[in-house]
Amino acid sequence: DTGVSQNPRHKITKRGQNVTFRCDPISEHNRLYWYRQTLGQGPEFLTYFQNEAQLEKSRLLSDRFSAERPKGSFSTLEIQRTEQGDSAMYLCASSFLAGGRGHEQYFGPGTRLTVT
Amino acid sequence: GDSVTQMEGPVTLSEEAFLTINCTYTATGYPSLFWYVQYPGEGLQLLLKATKADDKGSNKGFEATYRKETTSFHLEKGSVQVSDSAVYFCALGPGGSYIPTFGRGTSLIVHP
Repeated sequence: DTGVSQNPRHKITKRGQNVTFRCDPISEHNRLYWYRQTLGQGPEFLTYFQNEAQLEKSRLLSDRFSAERPKGSFSTLEIQRTEQGDSAMYLCASSFLAGGRGHEQYFGPGTRLTVT
Repeated sequence: GDSVTQMEGPVTLSEEAFLTINCTYTATGYPSLFWYVQYPGEGLQLLLKATKADDKGSNKGFEATYRKETTSFHLEKGSVQVSDSAVYFCALGPGGSYIPTFGRGTSLIVHP
């Protein structure tokens, strides 16, 4: 178990460019979550998948944001036409849901996005 | 919608002092509750959890009790160490119909 990994760790891009981030969850985990975190705030939920199905995406910040998990393993988060306000840390987490309650999430180290 | 409110930081304590970090939540029903910790330069990691009312979660000397009557999940530790210096996040969900919701975090600084 190597934990949740995210790539890249840092991304600097110019306003208007598209960016894509990748998350590799813990291999046996069936749920994958994306969050945005800004300085001094807690993680803000964006979307999540159960296996390859995206079960909640109404919290994505705008239609410029999209996420995929095509084979139920790794996931990508894409931001199109980036804006300076998109600068933040983007976190991925995974968990294993097998019924019941209280399934904890395992977080990756995050991808820090800077839009210039 | 659901929300989590944490006490503002930073909380500054001397080693061996007693710690309380307050957390209250707003949600319909009884979500699972969590405390996560983020040490400097590291990712968030689970500290403890409670899945139903009156449950007590505990780990590494930290405790929190799920109080449905006050919708609270306060974090306590009897004697803090310098190594406990970190940012602590209270959260509800996921599970059932609950979207995971985090508080804004409370920074703890422990001096020798």
